[in-house]
Amino acid sequence: AQTVTQSQPEMSVQEAETVTLSCTYDTSESNYYLFWYKQPPSRQMILVIRQEAYKQQNATENRFSVNFQKAAKSFSLKISDSQLGDTAMYFCAFMTGGNTGKLIFGQGTTLQVKP
Amino acid sequence: NAGVTQTPKFQVLKTGQSMTLQCAQDMNHEYMSWYRQDPGMGLRLIHYSVGAGITDQGEVPNGYNVSRSTTEDFPLRLLSAAPSQTSVYFCASRKNRVFNEKLFFGSGTQLSVL
Repeated sequence: AQTVTQSQPEMSVQEAETVTLSCTYDTSESNYYLFWYKQPPSRQMILVIRQEAYKQQNATENRFSVNFQKAAKSFSLKISDSQLGDTAMYFCAFMTGGNTGKLIFGQGTTLQVKP
Repeated sequence: NAGVTQTPKFQVLKTGQSMTLQCAQDMNHEYMSWYRQDPGMGLRLIHYSVGAGITDQGEVPNGYNVSRSTTEDFPLRLLSAAPSQTSVYFCASRKNRVFNEKLFFGSGTQLSVL
C-alpha cells in the first residue's frame, strides 16, 4: 500500500525568509504524480504544485518549488520569500496510477509565517 | 461555474441518526470522491466513483454508503452516526480517472456527532 509521511507537524518562518517542508512516500509503482496542497483557515484545498515522477526536472510555481528525489522517495516543498498569506496547513499527496487514480495524503504540516 | 458544491456546511447529529451529505459538480467530471479530515491524520479516502453507476471503497469506508446514479451527484450516507464520524468531510472531483488531472475540492462539511 502507498503511504505518505510528513514528519513535521508544525513549522514557523519569518516573513521574507525561506522554509522547506518535508515529505516522504512509499510505493512500488514507477509512474505517479506528487502534489502539495495548501489549506488556509478558510478550509479550502488549493493546489500549490505538482510533479510527474518520470520528469527529472523539479517543478516550480513562482515562489514555490520542489526537491524531488525519486530514489530516496522524497518530495520536499520550498517556499521562498515567505508571505503572511502562506500561513496554512500544507499537505503532501501521492496519486496512484492504474484504474483508480486515488489521491493519498500525508498528515499535514501547519506553517505559520511570522511578521 | 459553481465547481464542486457541498451541502450542508455544518451539521450536528445525535448518535444513531442518519443523514446524507450532498455533493454536486457541474463540470461533467467522471471521477468523484469523498474524504474525511481529522487532526493529525490528513485526508483519508472514504469512497470514490469513476463514473455513473460505479463506486468503490477507499481507505476508511466502514459506516458510509455511496451511490452514483448521475454524473453530477455523489451523495455520502451515514446510516447510523457514531461519535467517531465527527470530522470534516470533503468531496472532490476530477475530469476522468487519468491521474494527471487536477482534483477540484468542495468547501467541506463539518460534522459533529454527539
